[in-house]
Amino acid sequence: EPEVTQTPSHQVTQMGQEVILRCVPISNHLYFYWYRQILGQKVEFLVSFYNNEISEKSEIFDDQFSVERPDGSNFTLKIRSTKLEDSAMYFCASSADVVAFFGQGTRLTVV
Amino acid sequence: AQSVTQPDIHITVSEGASLELRCNYSYGATPYLFWYVQSPGQGLQLLLKYFSGDTLVQGIKGFEAEFKRSQSSFNLRKPSVHWSDAAEYFCAVGAWGTGGGNKLTFGTGTQLKVEL
Repeated sequence: EPEVTQTPSHQVTQMGQEVILRCVPISNHLYFYWYRQILGQKVEFLVSFYNNEISEKSEIFDDQFSVERPDGSNFTLKIRSTKLEDSAMYFCASSADVVAFFGQGTRLTVV
Repeated sequence: AQSVTQPDIHITVSEGASLELRCNYSYGATPYLFWYVQSPGQGLQLLLKYFSGDTLVQGIKGFEAEFKRSQSSFNLRKPSVHWSDAAEYFCAVGAWGTGGGNKLTFGTGTQLKVEL
């Protein structure tokens, strides 16, 4: 069964460093998403991406965040200068229509 | 803007007992509604979805949910819970954006514990 794959599963970074979280969406999907879940809190929408551009973003998705589809298979989330409060589980998702399929997540720890 | 309320943070049931997890949503139009399950250290797995039509929808692992427009609810049920059902359950409402893509708004989740 096709699945969304995220790497790495866990990343530790120092405050102020840049991180790139990687995702391989399901191959025939056209819509891509990033969500995050701070420990103990609910899953929050960050951004959706379609046709090589951002289609919607939340207030959380400020200038320190960016997304890119560098090739035909990968979808990345970059955080330019990490803060302690960026520590969270980041989920990538993709969809062909309204049903989103999620990856296993990347746990980002900022120290 | 859409919102989802899951009033029960924690629920404990005995194995073999029935289960109902509550979900109330707020959305201006006919909603896309979903239940996802998250096992410890895992991602979000889709249990079931509702778009339109029959208000009782069946999902994986023996789960079902009923859409009640008058109550703005989409409660998840299972007639007999198994120990492996212990996990966190999230209700979500989707809104299709004008730019494309279905933005999901999640509830705070219900942590299910199953006693043997």
